[in-house]
Amino acid sequence: SQTIHQWPATLVQPVGSPLSLECTVEGTSNPNLYWYRQAAGRGLQLLFYSVGIGQISSEVPQNLSASRPQDRQFILSSKKLLLSDSGFYLCAWSLRDATQETQYFGPGTRLLVL
Amino acid sequence: AQSVTQLDSHVSVSEGTPVLLRCNYSSSYSPSLFWYVQHPNKGLQLLLKYTSAATLVKGINGFEAEFKKSETSFHLTKPSAHMSDAAEYFCVVVSGGSYIPTFGRGTSLIVHP
Repeated sequence: SQTIHQWPATLVQPVGSPLSLECTVEGTSNPNLYWYRQAAGRGLQLLFYSVGIGQISSEVPQNLSASRPQDRQFILSSKKLLLSDSGFYLCAWSLRDATQETQYFGPGTRLLVL
Repeated sequence: AQSVTQLDSHVSVSEGTPVLLRCNYSSSYSPSLFWYVQHPNKGLQLLLKYTSAATLVKGINGFEAEFKKSETSFHLTKPSAHMSDAAEYFCVVVSGGSYIPTFGRGTSLIVHP
């Protein structure tokens, strides 16, 4: 069966510090991968998605970047965090080469920027 | 283009009474529709999915939803609420040929004893 992991679970960082959040998927090959942010009391905002190694699409301009160095690894980064980067970050996967497929979510990372 | 509107930001019910969470969508072509549930500080869990088969979809934990094309709706229901159903619920649409879902803003379900 497939599993998705995110770490860390929680993170408190000062403004201006770098960020690296990691997401890995097990039990499937060539998945589509997604990063979302959920601000307090708001819905999910799609940040990035990837349909293959090295292929990253950005949905909104912002202070963040994403990379996919391996097939089942998706990393969210920032060089300098802003207060507005605080939120709950969720990674998700779906089957590759399949549209309209179910997305399966990881447990999330709670980021607080102070 | 696709969009989804969850008509209620909060729904409050008593334990044992029916639940109705409303969702309307727009989609240019053959949508797939989903409902997810999120408990506090957790990831999203799939409740059910519609993909142009039966219009009445049964999901986990006693939830079901009915796809009504004429009304562009996909409301989520449950006959009898349980305290453990208290959570945030998201309606999601993905248009035909798309990888990218659109999420509703969520409905918070409150269950009173």
